[in-house]
Amino acid sequence: GQNIDQPTEMTATEGAIVQINCTYQTSGFNGLFWYQQHAGEAPTFLSYNVLDGLEEKGRFSSFLSRSKGYSYLLLKELQMKDSASYLCAVTDSNYQLIWGAGTKLIIKP
Amino acid sequence: DGGITQSPKYLFRKEGQNVTLSCEQNLNHDAMYWYRQDPGQGLRLIYYSQIVNDFQKGDIAEGYSVSREKKESFPLTVTSAQKNPTAFYLCASSKGDPAYNEQFFGPGTRLTVL
Repeated sequence: GQNIDQPTEMTATEGAIVQINCTYQTSGFNGLFWYQQHAGEAPTFLSYNVLDGLEEKGRFSSFLSRSKGYSYLLLKELQMKDSASYLCAVTDSNYQLIWGAGTKLIIKP
Repeated sequence: DGGITQSPKYLFRKEGQNVTLSCEQNLNHDAMYWYRQDPGQGLRLIYYSQIVNDFQKGDIAEGYSVSREKKESFPLTVTSAQKNPTAFYLCASSKGDPAYNEQFFGPGTRLTVL
């Protein structure tokens, strides 16, 4: 079966760095997305990785290793507004999008 | 401003009633989607449409129906056949194939069936 694993919940301190991991077992791979979703709101796009390596976008970076079926989202200089759920989604060989359950990130002052 | 609107934000219905959730976009996107989000689970695709007057079932289409008569609109009807309809429903659109294109989401409708 197809599966995406993310930690259910993480806690970090304002101003610190946090890494949210995502591992996947899918029938093929054609890209990986990260979305941010604040409670009760719409998900918003953060990043897309299709090749191995690190993509940096301001305070947020996303890393992909296709051989390991692994990605992480790195958030630097954490702010209270970063408290949200972070969703990992993978495109499989049939170009279907498979979603993880999301990681709820709690930022403490 | 371009975007996706969903209405209403909260909806309450009695068991056995059909209910229609609205989704409108002015992004000029061809593709539109309906997802269901339940606590502790990933987004699950209900229906999607890549062009007007055409749509396909997603992973959990049973008990739902859609129409796509206009490019801008993709309403979802939750029928009485849906066994567990209480959930958060999200509508999305994309410029092209969602496999490698960003999706834009509406604010969602939280449906509670009493």
